[in-house]
Amino acid sequence: DADVTQTPRNRITKTGKRIMLECSQTKGHDRMYWYRQDPGLGLRLIYYSFDVKDINKGEISDGYSVSRQAQAKFSLSLESAIPNQTALYFCATSKDGQVDNEQFFGPGTRLTVL
Amino acid sequence: TQLLEQSPQFLSIQEGENLTVYCNSSSVFSSLQWYRQEPGEGPVLLVTVVTGGEVKKLKRLTFQFGDARKDSSLHITAAQPGDTGLYLCAGGINPARKAAGNKLTFGGGTRVLVKP
Repeated sequence: DADVTQTPRNRITKTGKRIMLECSQTKGHDRMYWYRQDPGLGLRLIYYSFDVKDINKGEISDGYSVSRQAQAKFSLSLESAIPNQTALYFCATSKDGQVDNEQFFGPGTRLTVL
Repeated sequence: TQLLEQSPQFLSIQEGENLTVYCNSSSVFSSLQWYRQEPGEGPVLLVTVVTGGEVKKLKRLTFQFGDARKDSSLHITAAQPGDTGLYLCAGGINPARKAAGNKLTFGGGTRVLVKP
């Protein structure tokens, strides 16, 4: 079984709809991250969480919110989706605070906002 | 804001040829990671370099961290079709305080296509 799972894998929605993307991990890591990927822009950090009680904004948090329901679960919400939020979204985890630690990525969610 | 620029953005070569991907920044990083991503999957870590001038080899892949820790390169010798994928570099800063976070900054990626 995959260590980091994301649901759904694909989603098509309409402008103005509320969307939630979910991430679960079985690695026992405290740190979790949400990124979006756009062609030519690499991965950009939306939100990250050090533990259940700690949520931090990344470089592109506007229009998004997150919830860390448990150590193993970190969800990303788009309160009112807009077309420029069409992208590939990745959840990732890491063991602790050192940046030279590996980040483990889920398989991604492809979101299309019409 | 630390920025990482990768070049080239796209590279198409024949099996057996060599290739080099570059990752450059005006900022100093504590560490530099290289990931490879295949279609329908998330990135997977290939290597981490932390010391200026460090060179690491992973079979036919050679990774180098610049002396000033502002740039890195990935060289593939005798490329094979299995090397096809999106290569991403990511720079990290070790924060002095926990609140500063331990975020990675990713480059835009280099898409490599190795034709048989």
